[in-house]
Amino acid sequence: GAVVSQHPSRVICKSGTSVKIECRSLDFQATTMFWYRQFPKQSLMLMATSNEGSKATYEQGVEKDKFLINHASLTLSTLTVTSAHPEDSSFYICSASSSSGQETQYFGPGTRLLVL
Amino acid sequence: DAKTTQPPSMDCAEGRAANLPCNHSTISGNEYVYWYRQIHSQGPQYIIHGLKNNETNEMASLIITEDRKSSTLILPHATLRDTAVYYCIVRGGYNFNKFYFGSGTKLNVKP
Repeated sequence: GAVVSQHPSRVICKSGTSVKIECRSLDFQATTMFWYRQFPKQSLMLMATSNEGSKATYEQGVEKDKFLINHASLTLSTLTVTSAHPEDSSFYICSASSSSGQETQYFGPGTRLLVL
Repeated sequence: DAKTTQPPSMDCAEGRAANLPCNHSTISGNEYVYWYRQIHSQGPQYIIHGLKNNETNEMASLIITEDRKSSTLILPHATLRDTAVYYCIVRGGYNFNKFYFGSGTKLNVKP
């Protein structure tokens, strides 16, 4: 149980284009989903928290217009990196928890984004 | 915002117990201690969590000191596949549902 998937697993795009990453909870309903990014040899950095049906809350320093998050259902959240630039290249990881964040977070396998 | 301190790396012989320490001296009464691990280029994997009491599951044991200022994750019989970065995270309090990752401990299990 508690499986979280991400799609795509890796993506290469040109600078200036937008990229959408999907995060799905496969066997539970995720009231809360989280998005992280991880640069090489660094730890995970929390970007934002999204609750189903409401606007995401972003961590300090994360541009909400740059990283659009939608959590339209209890099993799906999407992260769209708009007008991507090479510095947005990173490993993006989502996690999900089954109630209002009071439960354990289960992580997806991650999406590696390379912006050329 | 990470509120934990872990050694950057540790070595362990295959088949032996791996004891990974974590210091969380500023932990408050309603904050949980969580442990995750991340194998290279994968998402973090949940291991175990606890509040006050020691906990054990099929993967590991978690020993929390009485004052709750530190904890130890124990992998009873480490295998080569346990080589990973292990993260100790304190969750709760004001940011009740958020995880802030520290730098973790790279555990190297050697044959």
